[in-house]
Amino acid sequence: KQEVTQIPAALSVPEGENLVLNCSFTDSAIYNLQWFRQDPGKGLTSLLLIQSSQREQTSGRLNASLDKSSGRSTLYIAASQPGDSATYLCAAADNYGQNFVFGPGTRLSVLP
Amino acid sequence: DTEVTQTPKHLVMGMTNKKSLKCEQHMGHRAMYWYKQKAKKPPELMFVYSYEKLSINESVPSRFSPECPNSSLLNLHLHALQPEDSALYLCASSVRRGGTDTQYFGPGTRLTVL
Repeated sequence: KQEVTQIPAALSVPEGENLVLNCSFTDSAIYNLQWFRQDPGKGLTSLLLIQSSQREQTSGRLNASLDKSSGRSTLYIAASQPGDSATYLCAAADNYGQNFVFGPGTRLSVLP
Repeated sequence: DTEVTQTPKHLVMGMTNKKSLKCEQHMGHRAMYWYKQKAKKPPELMFVYSYEKLSINESVPSRFSPECPNSSLLNLHLHALQPEDSALYLCASSVRRGGTDTQYFGPGTRLTVL
């Protein structure tokens, strides 16, 4: 059974810092890994999806990497802004990407 | 139209009530999902309706029942719920590209069971 963990559980940084969020998964037989952002009480916004054959994906100030062999993914946020404050969830997917197992999330606060 | 819509946004119901949550997408996606998310916890998959086939998480109690009237709509029928069923219920749909599905989430329905 797939298990997904994320560290740190919470992170508080001053504005402008670069930061790294970590995601680990136990079963490397995944189809893709997706990073989401969730604001309090809201739905999930997809940030980046990395297919199992890919090593990284980039979108603006975000860069996500995937190392299937070690069961790890990282989300790098450059030049953080207060608007980046949210909970960041990673999800590992099997069954063609339909069976998602989410990590517990990292709660990020970027201080002005 | 590139979004998943959910109604209602908020729902308060008693344990003897019967209610339904609605999820709709017009992106032509062939798979739709229901997730349950408790406060400060990650979403947990409840049901997948993919290419007209229903998959159920075995841990979901029978007081929750999905219905897919057509490929754009996925309802979640609620009956005799318990207070511990109070949560954010998220719907998603997905499209297959390059051999894998990308999921798109709706804003959720906040359910409170009294």
